[in-house]
Amino acid sequence: GGIITQTPKFLIGQEGQKLTLKCQQNFNHDTMYWYRQDSGKGLRLIYYSITENDLQKGDLSEGYDASREKKSSFSLTVTSAQKNEMAVFLCASSTWGFSAETLYFGSGTRLTVL
Amino acid sequence: AQSVTQPDARVTVSEGASLQLRCKYSSSVTPYLFWYVQYPRQGLQLLLKYYSGDPVVQGVNGFEAEFSKSNSSFHLRKASVHWSDSAVYFCAVSQQQGTGSKLSFGKGAKLTVSP
Repeated sequence: GGIITQTPKFLIGQEGQKLTLKCQQNFNHDTMYWYRQDSGKGLRLIYYSITENDLQKGDLSEGYDASREKKSSFSLTVTSAQKNEMAVFLCASSTWGFSAETLYFGSGTRLTVL
Repeated sequence: AQSVTQPDARVTVSEGASLQLRCKYSSSVTPYLFWYVQYPRQGLQLLLKYYSGDPVVQGVNGFEAEFSKSNSSFHLRKASVHWSDSAVYFCAVSQQQGTGSKLSFGKGAKLTVSP
């Protein structure tokens, strides 16, 4: 088995601040994802990456940057945090990124912007 | 475009009672269908998935789901719930999209199992 580790677990920032969330996986999966989870809105895809140095925009990429410098890690940057923003950011991975594959999720980073 | 609707945002059932959580999907082709569960302060975990064959699929912990192409549905069922089943349940559909796949989630159904 493997595990996905997200750091930090809790992130508090100020309006306008640039904030970075990190994700590491030891499944040796090719594809990694960042989702945003808002209460009552389900999960929305921000970015995904099918291999090292690849980046693909999801439905919610505006306001975010991502980086995949190693196969095992995938970072997400909030370029300018919005006041009163509260959400959970979930990182996930899958073997190759095909439709039938299972996604494996980390436990999330909870963001609060003051 | 694909989409998922979970009409029941909150569901409360008594321990030992049966459960059905509804899921309707919209897709131009038969998609891959999933149910994920999220326990408090955890990430999502796969319960079961369907992409062909027998329309009733078995998952972990006694859960099953039935695919209906005519109704565009993929409802989740359990014959007898336990207090530990209290969690948020997400239905999801997936289609291949270029070099990757797109997994679209419903808004989730929060299940509370009362004693």
